[in-house]
Amino acid sequence: DTAVSQTPKYLVTQMGNDKSIKCEQNLGHDTMYWYKQDSKKFLKIMFSYNNKELIINETVPNRFSPKSPDKAHLNLHINSLELGDSAVYFCASSLHSSGEYFGPGTRLLVL
Amino acid sequence: QQQVKQSPQSLIVQKGGISIINCAYENTAFDYFPWYQQFPGKGPALLIAIRPDVSEKKEGRFTISFNKSAKQFSLHIMDSQPGDSATYFCAASLDSWGKLQFGAGTQVVVTP
Repeated sequence: DTAVSQTPKYLVTQMGNDKSIKCEQNLGHDTMYWYKQDSKKFLKIMFSYNNKELIINETVPNRFSPKSPDKAHLNLHINSLELGDSAVYFCASSLHSSGEYFGPGTRLLVL
Repeated sequence: QQQVKQSPQSLIVQKGGISIINCAYENTAFDYFPWYQQFPGKGPALLIAIRPDVSEKKEGRFTISFNKSAKQFSLHIMDSQPGDSATYFCAASLDSWGKLQFGAGTQVVVTP
């Protein structure tokens, strides 16, 4: 199946912990993104990488650090998790004029 | 500050009816306007997109109308079906691989 995949699908953790979310796309796209969807379903971009280079870095706390080992992967590491980090995190990818294709999401709950 | 304003917040329509969702934007430099459909527990899926050089685009039962002078665009779902019940998001960006600015979403419920 050609798609954007994310792991894990669910993540429940304690405040103060460090966690990572992984994303992979096999669509041959050259740009990858991380979005955060809050409890009111509002979608906001966090980061974007083009050919492994960071091109968009929104005003996100520096506890969030993306890492792109290659064009097909974009991971998100979160340090010192806070209650307010609870949300659904979506990875997406795109190529030129194809539009953005989203993964299934990672539901993060910080207790 | 939200750059794309979407209305209504929610919509109930009978099967066979027309669902209409409206969006307005401020930045005249935006040149790519996609619509996304999101089912509960799933990621947003690209539904249809338009560029400002055309005033209308149709794909099956989904139509985007675009009014450049008014800085508005809308999604029409013709012959709405219960399977169309989902949250719909409009968005805008400077290009098709740029930073998408999303509207707040419209929850559409199609009753049988």
